[in-house]
Amino acid sequence: NAGVMQNPRHLVRRRGQEARLRCSPMKGHSHVYWYRQLPEEGLKFMVYLQKENIIDESGMPKERFSAEFPKEGPSILRIQQVVRGDSAAYFCASSPAGGRGNEQFFGPGTRLTVL
Amino acid sequence: AQSVSQHNHHVILSEAASLELGCNYSYGGTVNLFWYVQYPGQHLQLLLKYFSGDPLVKGIKGFEAEFIKSKFSFNLRKPSVQWSDTAEYFCAVRDSGAGSYQLTFGKGTKLSVIP
Repeated sequence: NAGVMQNPRHLVRRRGQEARLRCSPMKGHSHVYWYRQLPEEGLKFMVYLQKENIIDESGMPKERFSAEFPKEGPSILRIQQVVRGDSAAYFCASSPAGGRGNEQFFGPGTRLTVL
Repeated sequence: AQSVSQHNHHVILSEAASLELGCNYSYGGTVNLFWYVQYPGQHLQLLLKYFSGDPLVKGIKGFEAEFIKSKFSFNLRKPSVQWSDTAEYFCAVRDSGAGSYQLTFGKGTKLSVIP
């Protein structure tokens, strides 16, 4: 069974460019979560999505960041006009349903470096 | 708001030494507690979790953790580490409410085991 897939694993962008991070959840999972780990920090929740719905984006920065999880295809975390402070590891997790009883399975992360 | 504190940034041990990694959390309500491990180049994996009941929880690969409610602690232990335990370890907490999904992570502890 394939686990949560993220690509690319490493992404380098110059300031002002766009970054697109992809997450394919585990088979049968319809709930996706994005977390960000800044250098020397713990993972911090960004957004929770179900297919075609954003359930909770309370952890997303107000500007330049957006996320989607279309009916078909992977979930995308999009960062427009990247700045050096966006350099971080971005982790995606998935679960078969939301809520307490459902373990979140994590992907390997995408490490974004902004030059 | 929840917060998680992991006391050690980097721990270096020789094989067969005993391990204890500290984790304290701050939250006014009841919580679920988790330890995740990330081996080099791999995804985060769940080591063990505490929801309720026996405060001594046993996980995979010989790891265990003890929930001490009065101390708001959930320390991870292993009696004898192996070189293959070299990894980064993350403690996480979540509100125990039925609809809760946001995990709050500590900054992580890097464990290096010397053969």
